[in-house]
Amino acid sequence: KNQVEQSPQSLIILEGKNCTLQCNYTVSPFSNLRWYKQDTGRGPVSLTIMTFSENTKSNGRYTATLDADTKQSSLHITASQLSDSASYICVVSGQAGTALIFGKGTTLSVSS
Amino acid sequence: GAGVSQSPSNKVTEKGKDVELRCDPISGHTALYWYRQRLGQGLEFLIYFQGNSAPDKSGLPSDRFSAERTGESVSTLTIQRTQQEDSAVYLCASSSGTADRGYTFGSGTRLTVV
Repeated sequence: KNQVEQSPQSLIILEGKNCTLQCNYTVSPFSNLRWYKQDTGRGPVSLTIMTFSENTKSNGRYTATLDADTKQSSLHITASQLSDSASYICVVSGQAGTALIFGKGTTLSVSS
Repeated sequence: GAGVSQSPSNKVTEKGKDVELRCDPISGHTALYWYRQRLGQGLEFLIYFQGNSAPDKSGLPSDRFSAERTGESVSTLTIQRTQQEDSAVYLCASSSGTADRGYTFGSGTRLTVV
């Protein structure tokens, strides 16, 4: 069964600290993996997208890694800010034309 | 338009009533998805439209749920005889249709069944 598992479920960190969120998937065939940020009451917004041949991709303070062999991805947030408080969702796409498979997300709270 | 537009943004309805949710995708996007997100839960796939192909309805939770899309334009998600467990945010997303393209989400419709 195609699944996407994320950990931790929730995380609280102090402003300025770094953190890493994990995503494991069993989707096959695999096309690409996305990380989305979802602020409360808003739709998800794409942070990064990686195909199986890409190992890392950055978007400002966000860096995503992908190991297609172990089917693991991580999202590293550097020098966290209060505005980083949100849900971070890992989304995997299988073959073209199929629905995305979503993880349940990690809720990040950044406190001052 | 510039983004995916959903309406209404909020809907409160009485149990047993029918509701209709609307999604205006980005112009030219052939693929359109509906998802549901219950409070504190992840996104749950409902239905997927790709061009003029038969939609993938495999995520619809019951026959009270249906969706239509005319061509590559507006889509409506209809929930008949609403139940309290239908309360959720219903999100629509569209894309150009190829797997490596970005998906753009609307801000969702928050449905509350009382």
